Amino acid sequence: ETGVTQTPRHLVMGMTNKKSLKCEQHLGHNAMYWYKQSAKKPLELMFVYNFKEQTENNSVPSRFSPECPNSSHLFLHLHTLQPEDSALYLCASSQDQAAGQYFGPGTRLTVT
Amino acid sequence: GENVEQHPSTLSVQEGDSAVIKCTYSDSASNYFPWYKQELGKRPQLIIDIRSNVGEKKDQRIAVTLNKTAKHFSLHITETQPEDSAVYFCAASSRNTGNQFYFGTGTSLTVIP
Repeated sequence: ETGVTQTPRHLVMGMTNKKSLKCEQHLGHNAMYWYKQSAKKPLELMFVYNFKEQTENNSVPSRFSPECPNSSHLFLHLHTLQPEDSALYLCASSQDQAAGQYFGPGTRLTVT
Repeated sequence: GENVEQHPSTLSVQEGDSAVIKCTYSDSASNYFPWYKQELGKRPQLIIDIRSNVGEKKDQRIAVTLNKTAKHFSLHITETQPEDSAVYFCAASSRNTGNQFYFGTGTSLTVIP
């Protein structure tokens, strides 16, 4: 599947590092999302963007900073993360509320 | 806000048997209910969805039913096969929540050959 792509696929970073995750969708969708998926936990919504405007920040710590320069690209900037932030970070897009989401392959993040 | 509950958390069935996963939701304004399948190490994939103006939808061996009065919806998989083994997530959304989807906690389905 190439509809929603994410880079990098794997990332190991120290707690003092700064890194960014990138997501790109080629489906012409208007909404993009960041989710966190930890082992044995449900999908946790982090951020929602509609037409490049952030419409949801689900009480996410400020060490996670999203950026949506256009409706096709979404970034998640990371800085001074904690080991408990280690998880799979999934990007998704959808046409609107009444259409299914298409997920990217995820970035497996390990914070050491 | 919306609260989606999903049961059971794990389910094992013999190959060829049927599997049923149930979800309940709290917001009566929710009107779109997708189901996702996530195989080990892979991304969640949309497998079927239903809108609130429909009571049932089928796609080959999978079907989804919706009871708006009781605020629950279910995924039915018939003639299960080993490749159906995965984690299944239900979700709900409404126009009132700005494109936000609320997910259930997932059901780990194992189909025993």
